[in-house]
Amino acid sequence: GESVGLHLPTLSVQEGDNSIINCAYSNSASDYFIWYKQESGKGPQFIIDIRSNMDKRQGQRVTVLLNKTVKHLSLQIAATQPGDSAVYFCAEINDYKLSFGAGTTVTVRA
Amino acid sequence: DSGVTQTPKHLITATGQRVTLRCSPRSGDLSVYWYQQSLDQGLQFLIQYYNGEERAKGNILERFSAQQFPDLHSELNLSSLELGDSALYFCASSPQGLGEKLFFGSGTQLSVL
Repeated sequence: GESVGLHLPTLSVQEGDNSIINCAYSNSASDYFIWYKQESGKGPQFIIDIRSNMDKRQGQRVTVLLNKTVKHLSLQIAATQPGDSAVYFCAEINDYKLSFGAGTTVTVRA
Repeated sequence: DSGVTQTPKHLITATGQRVTLRCSPRSGDLSVYWYQQSLDQGLQFLIQYYNGEERAKGNILERFSAQQFPDLHSELNLSSLELGDSALYFCASSPQGLGEKLFFGSGTQLSVL
């Protein structure tokens, strides 16, 4: 079964605000984590990744935080824009296998 | 554009039929993956190939089969189709297939009527 999951299936955020999307994983042996964004009618698109030897990684407007103690992963999006509306998946890699969580649908309000 | 190409984009067929989905990986990638995405199931891993050989198998039904050809493109064959097989089928590729990030195609939307 799935070993990666998200806390909330939906998130509504005001344009310009920061978004935080959470993900819990259950396999403490997982050593690599990825966030994907999937827009309607498209395939998942890589956003950012983090290895288990790090606790924070920053990209352009996005930050991923990893808390191995509680097996928690989060994706922060700064100054959320309408184009950020999508489904966000966290994924973990363990033993070379990538497993996806159920996804969080982010809706940006104008 | 991820560089992964999938055809066709849409496929409509009837129960009991057989279809073939095609995928061309990114240039230089040796590993290809197939995923199924249903509304209530999320992204389910089906199967992975590396340089023509099967490397990992997930929740793939016996009615489904896949292969990767010498030119590295892959095909997913779905037979004896059932209504429940209606889903988005994604192909992804990665350089070595050893726990790297995957790059996904745009998917094939299969509708079984």
